[in-house]
Amino acid sequence: SQTIHQWPATLVQPVGSPLSLECTVEGTSNPNLYWYRQAAGRGLQLLFYSIGIDQISSEVPQNLSASRPQDRQFILSSKKLLLSDSGFYLCAWRAQEKGGYTFGSGTRLTVV
Amino acid sequence: QQPVQSPQAVILREGEDAVINCSSSKALYSVHWYRQKHGEAPVFLMILLKGGEQKGHEKISASFNEKKQQSSLYLTASQLSYSGTYFCGTVGTGSNYKLTFGKGTLLTVNP
Repeated sequence: SQTIHQWPATLVQPVGSPLSLECTVEGTSNPNLYWYRQAAGRGLQLLFYSIGIDQISSEVPQNLSASRPQDRQFILSSKKLLLSDSGFYLCAWRAQEKGGYTFGSGTRLTVV
Repeated sequence: QQPVQSPQAVILREGEDAVINCSSSKALYSVHWYRQKHGEAPVFLMILLKGGEQKGHEKISASFNEKKQQSSLYLTASQLSYSGTYFCGTVGTGSNYKLTFGKGTLLTVNP
């Protein structure tokens, strides 16, 4: 069966520090991968999506970037965090066009 | 373009019914529905594809009117476990890789 792993679960980082969040999917190949961010009490904002290795689209211009070094690995990064980067970051995958999205357990990031 | 959900919040007593609506200003390929419990990740409920279908999942069902670009989620005989925030997500025609979520509807079911 397919599973998605996301870590860490919580993170507290100072302003200006770097960020690296990792997401991996098991039990499937060539998944579509997504990064979403959810501010406290708000909806889900699509940040990046990838339909293949090194094929990444950015939805929101910001100081975040994403990479997909392997088929089932998706990384969200930042060189310098801002206070506004705080939120609940969710990785998701989808196997096929007609399927639903499966979300990882999320990373709660607090920038202080 | 973010889909618009209504109502923003609803409070029910156990056993009551509720309808959550989702509308879009653009042509849609599909509509997704998710439920998120506090502090957890969203969980997929169902997907409705272009073609105007209706689906059911236990006592939760949904319809999709592609001509009106609207979808509705129906919760019947609500249970305490139905509490959470419900999100609709839309995929536009020609952009079938991107799911854009509405702001959510907070559903509270009381005993």
